[in-house]
Amino acid sequence: DAGVIQSPRHEVTEMGQEVTLRCKPISGHNSLFWYRQTMMRGLELLIYFNNNVPIDDSGMPEDRFSAKMPNASFSTLKIQPSEPRDSAVYFCASSFFGDEQFFGPGTRLTVL
Amino acid sequence: SQQGEEDPQALSIQEGENATMNCSYKTSINNLQWYRQNSGRGLVHLILIRSNEREKHSGRLRVTLDTSKKSSSLLITASRAADTASYFCATLFTGTASKLTFGTGTRLQVTL
Repeated sequence: DAGVIQSPRHEVTEMGQEVTLRCKPISGHNSLFWYRQTMMRGLELLIYFNNNVPIDDSGMPEDRFSAKMPNASFSTLKIQPSEPRDSAVYFCASSFFGDEQFFGPGTRLTVL
Repeated sequence: SQQGEEDPQALSIQEGENATMNCSYKTSINNLQWYRQNSGRGLVHLILIRSNEREKHSGRLRVTLDTSKKSSSLLITASRAADTASYFCATLFTGTASKLTFGTGTRLQVTL
């Protein structure tokens, strides 16, 4: 298995632009997580899905952030419009329920 | 906050020495997990200990769990320069199907 796949690996955009991050979880996993990591705030859970259904989105900072999981093998995290304070590394992870989570390599987002 | 807290925040040791990191949490858990993160990379799962277990070993790693004190420790024996990384504990709280709550991490530096 290739592990959790994220794209793009790096994204540089200008304030106000729409950003879409993509994630392919490990086949057979039924939970998918989106995290954000910064030096100031550490690792934050943004949202997670069980069986493609959003369970807890309390970590989504504001309405500019949205996430979807149309099927078991794909999820997106969208920021519209993006702001400089959104600059961070965004990780996607998957697991089988509460077992170990497998993290993707992350997307480093820079909003100018 | 239910967030686990690691102690110390940073640890510097010489190769060959043992490294001990501690994690405390606030409410009852189903399991507790330890992860490692190398700079610029995603988190990698190290070991999972369930609430009914007290100690677990994996290679040079030893994890203990004291549910009465709501604390866990990670011991890395005979450390190597390659162990240099940040280490996070993560807790699966009772009643949450798959959501892990990550601590703030311990930065371990192993020097030659």
